[in-house]
Amino acid sequence: DAGVTQSPTHLIKTRGQQVTLRCSPKSGHDTVSWYQQALGQGPQFIFQYYEEEERQRGNFPDRFSGHQFPNYSSELNVNALLLGDSALYLCASSLIGTGSYEQYFGPGTRLTVT
Amino acid sequence: KNQVEQSPQSLIILEGKNCTLQCNYTVSPFSNLRWYKQDTGRGPVSLTIMTFSENTKSNGRYTATLDADTKQSSLHITASQLSDSASYICVVRGGYGQNFVFGPGTRLSVLP
Repeated sequence: DAGVTQSPTHLIKTRGQQVTLRCSPKSGHDTVSWYQQALGQGPQFIFQYYEEEERQRGNFPDRFSGHQFPNYSSELNVNALLLGDSALYLCASSLIGTGSYEQYFGPGTRLTVT
Repeated sequence: KNQVEQSPQSLIILEGKNCTLQCNYTVSPFSNLRWYKQDTGRGPVSLTIMTFSENTKSNGRYTATLDADTKQSSLHITASQLSDSASYICVVRGGYGQNFVFGPGTRLSVLP
């Protein structure tokens, strides 16, 4: 049973460019959440997708957008990259409706903006 | 404002010693509290999850406590090992469909 997978592992982009990160949830999970983790800090919630719709959103600008596909996988898109977007981007999957509402995290994608 | 604070910010101990990490939160209403271990550059891995009615839970050498009245939690690590070197993150989920509020983490270094 595969856990949460993310791709790519590492990515280097230039300011102003656009980037797409991908996430496949744990088997049986239907909800995907995205987090941004700057170096030395805790993860910050970006948004959550369920049933192919954005259900909740954190305090991130519209440059951050996402998508969820019918197979529950998800993409995070960031436009007009800034140096401050450099971070570890984590994807977490869960199953809505379960009592424990456990989240499983992927290994993350390390994005460096130069 | 919903917040999670952790202390200390970092901790260095010798292999074999015990340590306790603290977490204070202001998230309300409260649903559950989790402790995660995060190795550098990796995704967090769940250690424990506690609901309002639970005040202690163990996972091997890790024991978490929760005092929902004072909104405090602790994570006690017994007989530390070099592999315990990581960041430990306290995460609180609010009720009514609120999302997870992450603490900044405590960076633990276990030295031989």
